[in-house]
Amino acid sequence: DAGITQSPRHKVTETGTPVTLRCHQTENHRYMYWYRQDPGHGLRLIHYSYGVKDTDKGEVSDGYSVSRSKTEDFLLTLESATSSQTSVYFCAISGGDQETQYFGPGTRLLVL
Amino acid sequence: GDSVTQMEGPVTLSEEAFLTINCTYTATGYPSLFWYVQYPGEGLQLLLKATKADDKGSNKGFEATYRKETTSFHLEKGSVQVSDSAVYFCALMYSSASKIIFGSGTRLSIRP
Repeated sequence: DAGITQSPRHKVTETGTPVTLRCHQTENHRYMYWYRQDPGHGLRLIHYSYGVKDTDKGEVSDGYSVSRSKTEDFLLTLESATSSQTSVYFCAISGGDQETQYFGPGTRLLVL
Repeated sequence: GDSVTQMEGPVTLSEEAFLTINCTYTATGYPSLFWYVQYPGEGLQLLLKATKADDKGSNKGFEATYRKETTSFHLEKGSVQVSDSAVYFCALMYSSASKIIFGSGTRLSIRP
């Protein structure tokens, strides 16, 4: 299994508060991704990174920001959480062929 | 734009039954195609992939063939087991973009 951890695994927060989710990898892969998973939508890409300090938006990036100051860590921040951001968030990294993605265990976020 | 369409679930079968989960795609170029599986409470895992037309991906008894003429990548297994109960996601990806587009997922339940 690829070495990917996410923290926290579960979080409950209130509307309007900032929230940061962390993804940590031990594989030294260049690409890292944040997705959200919602019923009926599959996984949708929020942001991705193709190197330290290099990031780009995905299809559902509004209300989210990311940072990557080290190869192994990719942070996702909800600047002011809303109930529509209640979801399960998955981090992924690219394998050596830059196509296969390996997923973390997910973070379940509830915004009240 | 690019998209992936999967048959809606849930799909319920008896053990040892034949499985087909349909997947069709719309693509402007020549993507790689993937099937990912998600077991309860876990992240997604790569099940199989095919990188060009007429390629067949296979793993754990599952198979899928990249059909360019019908823009399809249907997942099949000859004899399912209870342990195959999971959610299955079809996806496409361009190597140059390093991003994946997922279908909405198909939940599979196998009865003993």
